[in-house]
Order: sequence, then structure tokens, then C-alpha cells
Amino acid sequence: DIVMTQTPLSSLVTLGQPASISCRSSQSLVHTDGNTYLSWLHQRPGQPPRLLIYKISNRFSGVPDRFSGSGTGTDFTLKISRVEAEDVGIYYCMQTTRLYTFGQGTKLEIK
Amino acid sequence: EVQLVESGGDLVQPGGSLRLSCAASGFTFSNWWMHWVRQAPGKGPVWVARIKTDGSSTTYADFVNGRFTISRDNAKSTLYLQLNTLTVEDTAVYYCVRAWDYWGQGTLVTVSS
Repeated sequence: DIVMTQTPLSSLVTLGQPASISCRSSQSLVHTDGNTYLSWLHQRPGQPPRLLIYKISNRFSGVPDRFSGSGTGTDFTLKISRVEAEDVGIYYCMQTTRLYTFGQGTKLEIK
Repeated sequence: EVQLVESGGDLVQPGGSLRLSCAASGFTFSNWWMHWVRQAPGKGPVWVARIKTDGSSTTYADFVNGRFTISRDNAKSTLYLQLNTLTVEDTAVYYCVRAWDYWGQGTLVTVSS
């Protein structure tokens, strides 16, 4: 199984400041079709996860442009350019290249 | 608007069974692979099972070990998960997921004596 490792596991950020979360996979996430199926999800307390980013850097419908994704192969990053209050919660990276596995999650809180 | 509404979660004793349902609307259900994902209290999501568009192919996580069955009725736009031989470790919110963009609100399965 592909193991997804996120850092940090928690992050305290001031409103309006940037935030960054890293995700590393135990194997390359490049699919035989040439795509890299790495997604980022956001989960608020009591809510289901919702998709933010798919295929490394594509924002899902309705996701603000302050969210961006980057990376290649086994190393990926989610960046929030200016954190807003509604961004609190847990962020998960997820791979769907070879079956499906999630990172442990990164809890984002406001300082 | 895509909607996925799960139901069927309940409190059940170890060794018991449950059938979860997920009613889909707002899209052509038969065009999409569908998944079940679960999340134990305070833990991250874990993939459980997937089913192909026409139901002809299914895949399960290793921990399922033959106890769960995923199925679908495209005429009713409904996804199912039959849970058998439940253990306390199966306690979780079970989510129905359209591959891999929309998630339902989830249904809680609690296994306890």
C-alpha cells in the first residue's frame, strides 16, 4: 500500500498569513496514464471532507484561488496564500493512483 | 446539484449486520464509479470499497476480509454497503463518495455490546 505522510500535523496561523502543508508518498504517484492522482481535502468539525484540489494543482469548483497545490512524483504541497477564519479544520492529502490512501491529516488553527 | 444521502447507520452488537444505503441525485449515477469511505471517531478517512459504473467489478480494502458487500441499483440511483460480522473496530461514520469529488454527509455505525 502507498503510505501518505503529512507535515506538520498541526499548524497555528495568524489570520491573513500564509500556510503550507506538505505531503509525501511512499511511492511515485505517477499513473501509467501519465497523470498524478494527488488530491487535497478539507474537513471542518462535524462535516464530511470536501475536495479542494485534484491532480496536484487543479482547484475544484468553487474553491477560492487562495488555495494552490504543487509538487511532483512523491512530494506535494498545499498552500493557502492568506488564511481566513473559515479555513480552520483538518486537511488531508489523498492518492488515487494505486487504490486509495489518505494522509494522517493536518489540523489548522487560527492563532 | 449533486447530492449523496446516506442512511442505515445504527447501534449494533458485535457479530451483527447492517445495510447502508446512499441515495444519489443531481447527476447521472450510472456514469460514475462509487466508493464507501469510513472515518472512525477522531481518526482520518479510510477507503472501504469501490464499485464500477455497471456493478460488474468491485474491490475491497484488505481489512474487509469478505465481511462487506458493495452493490448498486442504477435504476434507483442508489449505492449499498452490506456490513456483516461487525466488530467494535468497524465503528465509524460511513461516507458514500462519487469518485472522487463529492461526499455525502455520512451515516454513523456504532458496534457495541
